[in-house]
Amino acid sequence: QQQVKQSPQSLIVQKGGISIINCAYENTAFDYFPWYQQFPGKGPALLIAIRPDVSEKKEGRFTISFNKSAKQFSLHIMDSQPGDSATYFCAANNNAGNMLTFGGGTRLMVKP
Amino acid sequence: DGGITQSPKYLFRKEGQNVTLSCEQNLNHDAMYWYRQDPGQGLRLIYYSQIVNDFQKGDIAEGYSVSREKKESFPLTVTSAQKNPTAFYLCASSMVVNYGYTFGSGTRLTVV
Repeated sequence: QQQVKQSPQSLIVQKGGISIINCAYENTAFDYFPWYQQFPGKGPALLIAIRPDVSEKKEGRFTISFNKSAKQFSLHIMDSQPGDSATYFCAANNNAGNMLTFGGGTRLMVKP
Repeated sequence: DGGITQSPKYLFRKEGQNVTLSCEQNLNHDAMYWYRQDPGQGLRLIYYSQIVNDFQKGDIAEGYSVSREKKESFPLTVTSAQKNPTAFYLCASSMVVNYGYTFGSGTRLTVV
């Protein structure tokens, strides 16, 4: 019940295209869903996060869509750029503690 | 500037040696975490600590040890019992009630 399943494992998108990464969870106690971006040789950095009281959150070119009934959430990167090439991790947390459960990661490559 | 500092950035270990990775934060965060990341892989939790002088094993604690004598510091020792220590090690911190993690920039450990 603590798993967060992330797909795809890798993704290649043309510059200007839309990158979509999906995550699914089982634990209905999860109430915080962040996305992290990691460049090679660096630590992950918080990109955007959502709570289940909203269905969508947008920050610049990055949007999280959240479907509570399906227990799924996704990251959309609009107008993808080569500089977006990185590994993206979804995660989930619940208010019983502060432990994040991470998805397996998606390696995104944006081709010029 | 507040942040989380890992040192050294690169570390080489001979077979049979113990090595200690440093993690210091000045964010006044209560909780600290150690993760291991293998090439192309996700994040695996080694140890975590939510208060000083207390810590818990994560999913892959065997061959590792930690201490939490100060709120700001959470060093990780990779012992000779860890048979495959070559990996990228990430330290993170968070407030107990704020769900976001802040990650350090990582230490790359190589066995020579």
